[in-house]
Amino acid sequence: TQLLEQSPQFLSIQEGENLTVYCNSSSVFSSLQWYRQEPGEGPVLLVTVVTGGEVKKLKRLTFQFGDARKDSSLHITAAQPGDTGLYLCAGGSNQFYFGTGTSLTVIP
Amino acid sequence: GAVVSQHPSRVICKSGTSVKIECRSLDFQATTMFWYRQFPKKSLMLMATSNEGSKATYEQGVEKDKFLINHASLTLSTLTVTSAHPEDSSFYICSATDVAGTSGSTDTQYFGPGTRLTVL
Repeated sequence: TQLLEQSPQFLSIQEGENLTVYCNSSSVFSSLQWYRQEPGEGPVLLVTVVTGGEVKKLKRLTFQFGDARKDSSLHITAAQPGDTGLYLCAGGSNQFYFGTGTSLTVIP
Repeated sequence: GAVVSQHPSRVICKSGTSVKIECRSLDFQATTMFWYRQFPKKSLMLMATSNEGSKATYEQGVEKDKFLINHASLTLSTLTVTSAHPEDSSFYICSATDVAGTSGSTDTQYFGPGTRLTVL
């Protein structure tokens, strides 16, 4: 099993603040995905990072893949209540493993 | 885009009964499907990998006689929770990969909307 540890596990912030979520592993991944999940629904893919050191932006979300392809981060600028949800990193080849998850609450 | 459906979306059953959950790829052929289990505000835990026409590969600690997986066609995989007990209550999610690339991507996992199982 390839373990992906996310931090923090829970995060509650005020609207307009910035935040960063981390995804770390001792294993090397060919790619990592970030998902957002709302209660009672399946995960929705946000982005896939493939190249070490890669940075991808999706509106107010910035994703970075570590140079060694063992870690990744998600930075949200000026968080909004609509960003509330469970954020999951994931990776793997034949099997697909999810990180431990970060539950984000953005308070209006 | 590729769509994966699950049925039922929600099921309540009595302890001791068996429940079947279906996972379908609607517009692509899914040679591989994955089954996950999720507890509230927790991450998804991979239960098993299902390959069309062959036996499923179960993760360590998952009872294969308890969670029966069948992947008889390229668009359908089923998970049957046998002799369900209250501790089996959970959110079950499936995903599918389009290895053939008919949906345009061979690496992306497409997730179903999940099935909420409650065992009384």
